[in-house]
Amino acid sequence: GQQLNQSPQSMFIQEGEDVSMNCTSSSIFNTWLWYKQEPGEGPVLLIALYKAGELTSNGRLTAQFGITRKDSFLNISASIPSDVGIYFCAGFNAGNNRKLIWGLGTSLAVNP
Amino acid sequence: DSGVTQTPKHLITATGQRVTLRCSPRSGDLSVYWYQQSLDQGLQFLIQYYNGEERAKGNILERFSAQQFPDLHSELNLSSLELGDSALYFCASSPRTGRSNYGYTFGSGTRLTVV
Repeated sequence: GQQLNQSPQSMFIQEGEDVSMNCTSSSIFNTWLWYKQEPGEGPVLLIALYKAGELTSNGRLTAQFGITRKDSFLNISASIPSDVGIYFCAGFNAGNNRKLIWGLGTSLAVNP
Repeated sequence: DSGVTQTPKHLITATGQRVTLRCSPRSGDLSVYWYQQSLDQGLQFLIQYYNGEERAKGNILERFSAQQFPDLHSELNLSSLELGDSALYFCASSPRTGRSNYGYTFGSGTRLTVV
């Protein structure tokens, strides 16, 4: 089935650094979602985006719905150790509102 | 607490056996989704139920089946288990089917180990 291209696959950064990750698709999406999964837990919704160009923040996290509607970006500013986890992008394809498509995740490690 | 309850949290069973995983969705949510997550893998969509009816199927094996009951809780049945079925199984719920303003709310998962 269709999957989103999420990059980078993993990141290892120093505490205090900013982080950027992105998600791309070959088709147009009308919803982008960003989730975080911590070890032993289910994914938790961080940010939801519904309009092209939309920029939404949640604390130190900012996500954008790409203008082409084929990509989305997540930025984390001033990273802290508790940002560790796997970040997943997901979205609804404009041609199929029923099935949520997922990326394979970006694994983030933060060195204190 | 996300409001989505999954039991059991851990399950160890032998190959060839059958197990049932249970999920209670968040109060008011009508849709239930089942996902499988293997080690170092992303989330693989298995199946979705909406208000008691099957709504969408993903990469679900024929040995696996699910149902959603009138009280909206759901069960995922895994039979003739193989070593490769060892994984985390997540249940998620949402208020309705398809695109919504709430995304999906996930439970904490059931870790299945087949030995």
